[in-house]
Amino acid sequence: AQSVTQLDSHVSVSEGTPVLLRCNYSSSYSPSLFWYVQHPNKGLQLLLKYTSAATLVKGINGFEAEFKKSETSFHLTKPSAHMSDAAEYFCVVSDQATGNQFYFGTGTSLTVIP
Amino acid sequence: DAGVTQSPTHLIKTRGQQVTLRCSPKSGHDTVSWYQQALGQGPQFIFQYYEEEERQRGNFPDRFSGHQFPNYSSELNVNALLLGDSALYLCASSRLGANYEQYFGPGTRLTVT
Repeated sequence: AQSVTQLDSHVSVSEGTPVLLRCNYSSSYSPSLFWYVQHPNKGLQLLLKYTSAATLVKGINGFEAEFKKSETSFHLTKPSAHMSDAAEYFCVVSDQATGNQFYFGTGTSLTVIP
Repeated sequence: DAGVTQSPTHLIKTRGQQVTLRCSPKSGHDTVSWYQQALGQGPQFIFQYYEEEERQRGNFPDRFSGHQFPNYSSELNVNALLLGDSALYLCASSRLGANYEQYFGPGTRLTVT
């Protein structure tokens, strides 16, 4: 069965310091993995996606993630946090076994301290 | 190019009532998926429509039903509302074959009292 575990429900960083949001997944087949961001009262925005190409994926706003099959992980990183990064982040897994249905994690709330 | 739009933005209903939520997909998209996001939780898949038919369904009761129109827009209907149906309902659109690229609307906030 497909599932996603976001290891931290809340992460707090100082502005200008690195961001690490952790995600582990479970999938029976070759998965596609995504990170979405949700700002208050806004829709979900795709940050980046992994779909069996390069394992290091670069996304928008300086975010990137690395697919590590041996660790079943897809952690999201950013070298330097900005105040505008404060939001809820969701890791998502899908695969062909479930017709590419999206399975969301429970989310990580990122706080950026000035 | 308009993205995914949803209406209404907010809705308040009473237990036992019925509600209809609407979604217009992004231009060029033919597939619509619906999700329920309870407070403090990640979105959960309700169902997906393509060619006016339900293609996939998540673990939701039959009180949740949907429809897709020839112009690819979609409706989500919920009957016999329960307090637990209070949530943000999200619509996502995609192109069949490029299903990994889902674009989300801003959602409809449903409150059941």
